[in-house]
Amino acid sequence: DTGVSQDPRHKITKRGQNVTFRCDPISEHNRLYWYRQTLGQGPEFLTYFQNEAQLEKSRLLSDRFSAERPKGSFSTLEIQRTEQGDSAMYLCASSPARGKGEKLFFGSGTQLSVL
Amino acid sequence: AQTVTQSQPEMSVQEAETVTLSCTYDTSENNYYLFWYKQPPSRQMILVIRQEAYKQQNATENRFSVNFQKAAKSFSLKISDSQLGDTAMYFCAFMMIIQGAQKLVFGQGTRLTINP
Repeated sequence: DTGVSQDPRHKITKRGQNVTFRCDPISEHNRLYWYRQTLGQGPEFLTYFQNEAQLEKSRLLSDRFSAERPKGSFSTLEIQRTEQGDSAMYLCASSPARGKGEKLFFGSGTQLSVL
Repeated sequence: AQTVTQSQPEMSVQEAETVTLSCTYDTSENNYYLFWYKQPPSRQMILVIRQEAYKQQNATENRFSVNFQKAAKSFSLKISDSQLGDTAMYFCAFMMIIQGAQKLVFGQGTRLTINP
């Protein structure tokens, strides 16, 4: 399978704990995105990388959230001091850098539950 | 700020019927891209169809087609000969490109149920 891979699929944590999610994009894709989706809503943009450069961050990404993409390959999203409001599906997507408006390929997401 | 609005939270049709899902958006940009994504119960987001704003011709992909009205900022999805496997959440999305960064903004979604 050469699609976008996310790990773990599910994460249950207690409030105040730190969590880290991993995303492996499709290998030839330069662009990588993180989105958050709560139940019954559309995905909300969090951040975007082109290669290793983080080009845009949403104001939804508070200082408790940090994302990295070392060497322009896989990416990690860390949430520090988790709150119950962080409970959501975290989606990763990637796209090639062939041009503009390329479609995004999504992973299956990491479902976070903060107790 | 760019926004995407899907005014139909839920829709339900019989198998083999045609159904149209509505989407409107708000932007001051002239060059952008529009997408429809499908999210079945597995929650995997799957691209249904893509439209480039500078193209007047409506995009089609097999049973799926769009009615793109740029002046009205409307982008509806028509599903012909609907199938049980079309049951899913459908999200309309708008892509803007700012300083090299691409950002996809989603609507709230329409839950579509195809009944046997």
